Amino acid sequence: SQTIHQWPATLVQPVGSPLSLECTVEGTSNPNLYWYRQAAGRGLQLLFYSVGIGQISSEVPQNLSASRPQDRQFILSSKKLLLSDSGFYLCAWSPPGQFNSPLHFGNGTRLTVT
Amino acid sequence: DQQVKQNSPSLSVQEGRISILNCDYTNSMFDYFLWYKKYPAEGPTFLISISSIKDKNEDGRFTVFLNKSAKHLSLHIVPSQPGDSAVYFCAAKRSSASKIIFGSGTRLSIRP
Repeated sequence: SQTIHQWPATLVQPVGSPLSLECTVEGTSNPNLYWYRQAAGRGLQLLFYSVGIGQISSEVPQNLSASRPQDRQFILSSKKLLLSDSGFYLCAWSPPGQFNSPLHFGNGTRLTVT
Repeated sequence: DQQVKQNSPSLSVQEGRISILNCDYTNSMFDYFLWYKKYPAEGPTFLISISSIKDKNEDGRFTVFLNKSAKHLSLHIVPSQPGDSAVYFCAAKRSSASKIIFGSGTRLSIRP
């Protein structure tokens, strides 16, 4: 069966510090991968998605970036965090080529920028 | 531009009664719709979906209705149970695309 791992669960970082959040999927090959953010009191905002290694689609202009160095690894990064980057970050995957398939989410990372 | 809208941020329903959560979308190209449930500090979990070729899909206590002409869908939960208290997200996509757009969520509270 497929599982998704996302870490860390919580993170407190000062403004201006770098960020690296990691997500890995097990039990499937070439999954579609997604990064979403839920800001306080708001919905799920799509940040990045990827349909293959090295392929990244960016949805929102910001100081965040994403990379997919391996088939089942998706990394969210920032060189310098802003206060507005605080939120709940969620990684998700869906099966490749199955467009009408739901997303499966990880348990999220609560990021607080101080 | 919010392509998927959930205009009710919260809803309170008595246990045993029907909960109805609503969602509107603006993009007529969307043809696949999903509902997710989310507890605090956890990732959303998939509940039920519907393709635009249908107007209703039922799974146990959960039923999703789709009105394509109105670009509106709703989730019915009956009977409502205490464990249903959570935030519910509506989502939509084009079948030919990988991108899924979520609404802002509705917090459902089931009172005894």
